[in-house]
Amino acid sequence: DSGVTQTPKHLITATGQRVTLRCSPRSGDLSVYWYQQSLDQGLQFLIQYYNGEERAKGNILERFSAQQFPDLHSELNLSSLELGDSALYFCASSVGAETTDTQYFGPGTRLTVL
Amino acid sequence: EDQVTQSPEALRLQEGESSSLNCSYTVSGLRGLFWYRQDPGKGPEFLFTLYSAGEEKEKERLKATLTKKESFLHITAPKPEDSATYLCAVQARSSASKIIFGSGTRLSIRP
Repeated sequence: DSGVTQTPKHLITATGQRVTLRCSPRSGDLSVYWYQQSLDQGLQFLIQYYNGEERAKGNILERFSAQQFPDLHSELNLSSLELGDSALYFCASSVGAETTDTQYFGPGTRLTVL
Repeated sequence: EDQVTQSPEALRLQEGESSSLNCSYTVSGLRGLFWYRQDPGKGPEFLFTLYSAGEEKEKERLKATLTKKESFLHITAPKPEDSATYLCAVQARSSASKIIFGSGTRLSIRP
């Protein structure tokens, strides 16, 4: 158990809908990262927040947005969902701001778009 | 363009049969190279970070090494519980915001 929690574990929704994924980092970690893992694209870095501020941006679509709240939990919002958004979404956390810091991954949220 | 290639895609070994997994990378200035282990349906588990050519790190039956073009994950006398997908990722100095993952090597150890 990494100490990172993600809810929900599974999410099934329809195209065009909007969903919110939630992540709570390990106690004491200030950075939260979001990743998408699909069969054809592998694991892709989406975005990093550090202490409430956006720190680094990867391959995040404009339809996706994220934020980190004062209690350090983070939410990833996915809107206008398409079939291709079906994937495992992982959250990771680390102590510091550097992306080279050791990252601890949560169990993931499996999103299925029908 | 920054790129990470892992080989082989899949590897089946007998328990106790040592081998190596390869991660070749092309980046404009390496900031860090990472190895993770991922079990089916679970999040990746951090193994090692390597920063510069010549660096080596060990953990139990695993040893990671780094050159200017590739990294190897050596597994010595593996056990069935070492079966997993091993992922390699790099971060380039030119794009500190981007962490690029390879597609992984699926390792299966037969008892």
